[in-house]
Amino acid sequence: DGGITQSPKYLFRKEGQNVTLSCEQNLNHDAMYWYRQDPGQGLRLIYYSQIVNDFQKGDIAEGYSVSREKKESFPLTVTSAQKNPTAFYLCASRTGTGGAGLAGPPYNEQFFGPGTRLTVL
Amino acid sequence: KQEVTQIPAALSVPEGENLVLNCSFTDSAIYNLQWFRQDPGKGLTSLLLIQSSQREQTSGRLNASLDKSSGRSTLYIAASQPGDSATYLCAVRKGYNQGGKLIFGQGTELSVKP
Repeated sequence: DGGITQSPKYLFRKEGQNVTLSCEQNLNHDAMYWYRQDPGQGLRLIYYSQIVNDFQKGDIAEGYSVSREKKESFPLTVTSAQKNPTAFYLCASRTGTGGAGLAGPPYNEQFFGPGTRLTVL
Repeated sequence: KQEVTQIPAALSVPEGENLVLNCSFTDSAIYNLQWFRQDPGKGLTSLLLIQSSQREQTSGRLNASLDKSSGRSTLYIAASQPGDSATYLCAVRKGYNQGGKLIFGQGTELSVKP
């Protein structure tokens, strides 16, 4: 089965700890994303990567770090610098890195993993 | 700055009713718009994607329309069923060279009563 997996499903963090959330995809997508979801605030972009060994900050990158050593994997580390980390974290990947000239819609469609719920104790 | 708004925040309808969910965005220069469904505690499931050059897309009982000039999209659900109960989110992608980033609305929580 092709898809996006996230682990763990639930994660508890103590004050001052760094924790790492896993995201793996076997869809052969070049681009991957991390979003954070809080009640009543929708999804906000943390980091994204369009190609291996390259990534960019999203709208709320402070207190987070990522790496993209393999095409299939895009782990997110929530550092102790993130003051309010309790949230639902969603990883996504996207089809098609080409332009409007490519055939075969839908392209540039984002697909999401099942999420990781992080709680600070 | 692109902002996406979904109204209403919550909607309750009896089974069998046809319904429309609304999504509006402030900047009409979008690359595409995507509708998602989210069940409680779960990830997002992509329903429909409309490219900026398209007016609508259909999948089964779902039909999504796009009016870029007015900054609006609607998701039409025909003959609603209790299994349609979920939160529906719309998201816009601003431009091709923006890294594929999506700007999300806050969602409409739909409840279909048997």
